[in-house]
Amino acid sequence: EVQLVESGGGLVQPGGSLRLSCSASGFTFNIFAMHWVRQAPGKGLEYVSAIASNGLSTYYADSVNGRFTISRDNSKNTLDLQMSSLRPEDTAVYYCVKGRDVIVGSTCFDYWGQGTPVTVSS
Amino acid sequence: EIVLTQSPATLSLSPGERATLSCRASQSVSRNQLAWYHQAPGQAPRLLIYGASNRVTGIPDRFSGSGSGTDFTLSISRLEPEDFAVYYCQQYGSSPLTFGGGTKVEMK
Repeated sequence: EVQLVESGGGLVQPGGSLRLSCSASGFTFNIFAMHWVRQAPGKGLEYVSAIASNGLSTYYADSVNGRFTISRDNSKNTLDLQMSSLRPEDTAVYYCVKGRDVIVGSTCFDYWGQGTPVTVSS
Repeated sequence: EIVLTQSPATLSLSPGERATLSCRASQSVSRNQLAWYHQAPGQAPRLLIYGASNRVTGIPDRFSGSGSGTDFTLSISRLEPEDFAVYYCQQYGSSPLTFGGGTKVEMK
């Protein structure tokens, strides 16, 4: 059974930093690109970031580019999202997501974690 | 960037009725790489349909997807109580991957 379990969310002040982690199991982690998708309170879904299976290629939405860094450890089956210079508009539930296809782009998402909430507020 | 517009924003129906949800793209979606998701309150989204019309294993056959190019439809033949939720479309034919704004199917 595929499982994605996020952790690390919480309350942070504007300008602060937070590191999200995702622990994956139940599939061959090192052959799939992995992704982060977020959802602001009462809003729709926003594609945030992705990383190739080997970690050598990454993608960031314009809204987070330069502030967020995605990384993975294939030896531990973990995915991270380092978030810095956080803004109130980054407030959202952050989902760790597995792509249905192995490549970074051109994929839909067949498994989602339960999400970890991030609140940016003073 | 491909913008996906979902309509209607809210659909009020009764259990047993048919639901028809629309997703319109601002430009043609390459290879009809269009997916549909179901999101119940407080839950993560769940993939229903990929490639515009392919149902994920385990998804009931009352769900069906159709369409091509810029116009796509998700149909639910007979609404069950668990179908009252928000539905999102997503295109993955070109970068950046984008989602529609969602359609809420609520109980009348």
